[in-house]
Amino acid sequence: AQRVTQPEKLLSVFKGAPVELKCNYSYSGSPELFWYVQYSRQRLQLLLRHISRESIKGFTADLNKGETSFHLKKPFAQEEDSAMYYCALSKYRDDKIIFGKGTRLHILP
Amino acid sequence: SQTIHQWPATLVQPVGSPLSLECTVEGTSNPNLYWYRQAAGRGLQLLFYSVGIGQISSEVPQNLSASRPQDRQFILSSKKLLLSDSGFYLCAWKRGQGDHTGELFFGEGSRLTVL
Repeated sequence: AQRVTQPEKLLSVFKGAPVELKCNYSYSGSPELFWYVQYSRQRLQLLLRHISRESIKGFTADLNKGETSFHLKKPFAQEEDSAMYYCALSKYRDDKIIFGKGTRLHILP
Repeated sequence: SQTIHQWPATLVQPVGSPLSLECTVEGTSNPNLYWYRQAAGRGLQLLFYSVGIGQISSEVPQNLSASRPQDRQFILSSKKLLLSDSGFYLCAWKRGQGDHTGELFFGEGSRLTVL
């Protein structure tokens, strides 16, 4: 069965420090991984997906199939990064998309 | 452009009462539609998804049900609410067959409190 694990419920990081939000998944096939973000009083929205291999708002995430991980990273945290972050998984081009429990990122001034 | 609406935004219902949450999408056709629940400590739980009219996949056995009477309408229902049904319900859509992005677009959510 597919599963997404985000071990940290809350992560507090000082402004300017590096950020790493952890995501591990369980799936034996070819996964598609995503990071979604929900800023205060805004809708949940896509941040980035592993297929695109892009950097959005300074964030990157690399799919590591050996470690079954898709950690989200940013070298220098900014206060506007404070939000709820969810890691999501689907089978390759499948319709079912499941999410982890989320990590609240709090950037300290 | 595409938009997604869900209502009501908030709902307070007694235990044992029925439930109906509605979600509609505009500006696209043949979308995939999803219902998720966001509950404290449990993250985003997939409840139902639909790839077409009348086609419903259920992910979590419970006293909720979903229906898709029209292409862009998705309804979440219950005949008798339980306390454990309290939570924040999110509707989402994704482009259907042929989509290569996998991106979900979420509604603003409906907060249900069962007393």
